[in-house]
Amino acid sequence: AQSVAQPEDQVNVAEGNPLTVKCTYSVSGNPYLFWYVQYPNRGLQFLLKYITGDNLVKGSYGFEAEFNKSQTSFHLKKPSALVSDSALYFCAVRLRTGRRALTFGSGTRLQVQP
Amino acid sequence: NAGVTQTPKFQVLKTGQSMTLQCAQDMNHNSMYWYRQDPGMGLRLIYYSASEGTTDKGEVPNGYNVSRLNKREFSLRLESAAPSQTSVYFCASSEGPDRGLSGANVLTFGAGSRLTVL
Repeated sequence: AQSVAQPEDQVNVAEGNPLTVKCTYSVSGNPYLFWYVQYPNRGLQFLLKYITGDNLVKGSYGFEAEFNKSQTSFHLKKPSALVSDSALYFCAVRLRTGRRALTFGSGTRLQVQP
Repeated sequence: NAGVTQTPKFQVLKTGQSMTLQCAQDMNHNSMYWYRQDPGMGLRLIYYSASEGTTDKGEVPNGYNVSRLNKREFSLRLESAAPSQTSVYFCASSEGPDRGLSGANVLTFGAGSRLTVL
């Protein structure tokens, strides 16, 4: 079975400061890892994914994430937060073989204060 | 540029009533999915269809049925709605199957359907 944990329900950060949203995963094999963002009353939008290769993945809107195999983590980061980054962020995982549907974490609400 | 379209956007049902959520995608994607979103629980997979003509159960299939009507359309049916099915439902699609190193097809989501069962 595969699972994703997002230990923080909410992260608060001041505009201009760096932000980190944490994600750890559990799979019996090598994973594909994803981050999605959800703005109010909208569907989820893709931010970035880790497939293979460089452990630091760059995505949309200046976000990046670092894959750490030993710690089974895939934390989302941004050097300088914007108020417009305030949203609900989901980490997701799937195996490289077998079922292709994603397993999502519970989500972390990011609040960026002006 | 419609992407994934879900109908209806809002629905209120009484316990025991039935209804069907419709989903259509215009991206020529092979795979389609139904998720439900509940506070504090993230998104949970109800059913998915890896390709036209196939459907498989996800994590929480009980109380639901699906039909992959054609490549574009994937509907979700509640035969006898229960209050526990009050949720926001999302349809998604992806290219599938994986293509080489690009693999791990990205999901495109619809805007969601908010269902309340009284």
